[in-house]
Amino acid sequence: ETAVFQTPNYHVTQVGNEVSFNCKQTLGHDTMYWYKQDSKKLLKIMFSYNNKQLIVNETVPRRFSPQSSDKAHLNLRIKSVEPEDSAVYLCASSRLGPSAETLYFGSGTRLTVL
Amino acid sequence: GDSVTQTEGLVTVTEGLPVKLNCTYQTTYLTIAFFWYVQYLNEAPQVLLKSSTDNKRTEHQGFHATLHKSSSSFHLQKSSAQLSDSALYYCAPLTSGGNYKPTFGKGTSLVVHP
Repeated sequence: ETAVFQTPNYHVTQVGNEVSFNCKQTLGHDTMYWYKQDSKKLLKIMFSYNNKQLIVNETVPRRFSPQSSDKAHLNLRIKSVEPEDSAVYLCASSRLGPSAETLYFGSGTRLTVL
Repeated sequence: GDSVTQTEGLVTVTEGLPVKLNCTYQTTYLTIAFFWYVQYLNEAPQVLLKSSTDNKRTEHQGFHATLHKSSSSFHLQKSSAQLSDSALYYCAPLTSGGNYKPTFGKGTSLVVHP
């Protein structure tokens, strides 16, 4: 049962264009994440938000900017895409707390930069 | 710094034989829990096993793992591999490094052949 929804599924664009990806979760979680999965299948955290507040901001190029309107939504904007941005972008959510909290992933947005 | 080491690359096993995927973690923070996530072809990663209890065996879908906090290890095992187990497996420790930042190993691709 899908509870983390990402749009679009695929996006093909050219270098220098701006793209935006959307993510919504219906699990009632208070923490959301963006991960990048590259061609070697490495999963790297980019950002995480807790109740609309940025709590993790890894070293990513400044052209990437997350946006959260409420705790159920987390979008990702890339201002001027580069070829190395081609990857699958995975959104995830979890509860935040001292116990073991599972991540629930969306199906991903595959970005191809020509 | 922190690092996750899991069996890298490709692991192939014959159907019906046992399989073991290793995972260890080095951190200066408190290890809260370990997870194994599985990603089937063209699907999102999903949790397979998780544990936050030291020296306790955890089982799910025929897989099992025991968390050893003293050695920061959580090796994944199955006594009899099935064709449907072919997938990408990620080890993901969770630590209390100020911000809860789920970090993933590089992934192990498991191929089970007849």
